[in-house]
Amino acid sequence: GDSVTQMEGPVTLSEEAFLTINCTYTATGYPSLFWYVQYPGEGLQLLLKATKADDKGSNKGFEATYRKETTSFHLEKGSVQVSDSAVYFCALGRGSTLGRLYFGRGTQLTVWP
Amino acid sequence: DTEVTQTPKHLVMGMTNKKSLKCEQHMGHRAMYWYKQKAKKPPELMFVYSYEKLSINESVPSRFSPECPNSSLLNLHLHALQPEDSALYLCASSQSPGQGVNNEQFFGPGTRLTVL
Repeated sequence: GDSVTQMEGPVTLSEEAFLTINCTYTATGYPSLFWYVQYPGEGLQLLLKATKADDKGSNKGFEATYRKETTSFHLEKGSVQVSDSAVYFCALGRGSTLGRLYFGRGTQLTVWP
Repeated sequence: DTEVTQTPKHLVMGMTNKKSLKCEQHMGHRAMYWYKQKAKKPPELMFVYSYEKLSINESVPSRFSPECPNSSLLNLHLHALQPEDSALYLCASSQSPGQGVNNEQFFGPGTRLTVL
């Protein structure tokens, strides 16, 4: 069945450091892939998405590329800020499963000034 | 309007109380979802409504009762809850489920529920 494996956290970085959060998936066919972010005390916000192989999603300096050959969708940012401190969830979805999303475990990111 | 709203923001209830959570969206989405999220965990799917009909129930105990009065509203009725039901309850919506489109979901801010 469909599943998402996300790197274990927490991740602690200094401001302006480079960020990578690894995400790999197991699925048949071509699911859509998402990164959601959850700030303390809030709901989930869609950060970026990709719907087919080699698509690159980007938003607010974050990027992720849909790699079919490695079944990966790693999240990257070149220079993190304190305000990026949050929990990041990788997720997989497909239109044929009534909108069900399969979430990774989440990665807590803390950025220190 | 690209927002999903949820009320109340916080709710404290006893195990014998009856309460309801409310969710609203005005994006014309035809799928709506309830999730339960415990601290430091990903959201767990509870229910999916597709075109106002319940299409997925993830074996949720009957003390949780969903209702979809129309395409914009989603309720979750709570009765005789247990302390372990304390969690953040998230509502989400998406455009057109099961139609081959990417099922991007928009989440509300959640209701923080505490059961005493």
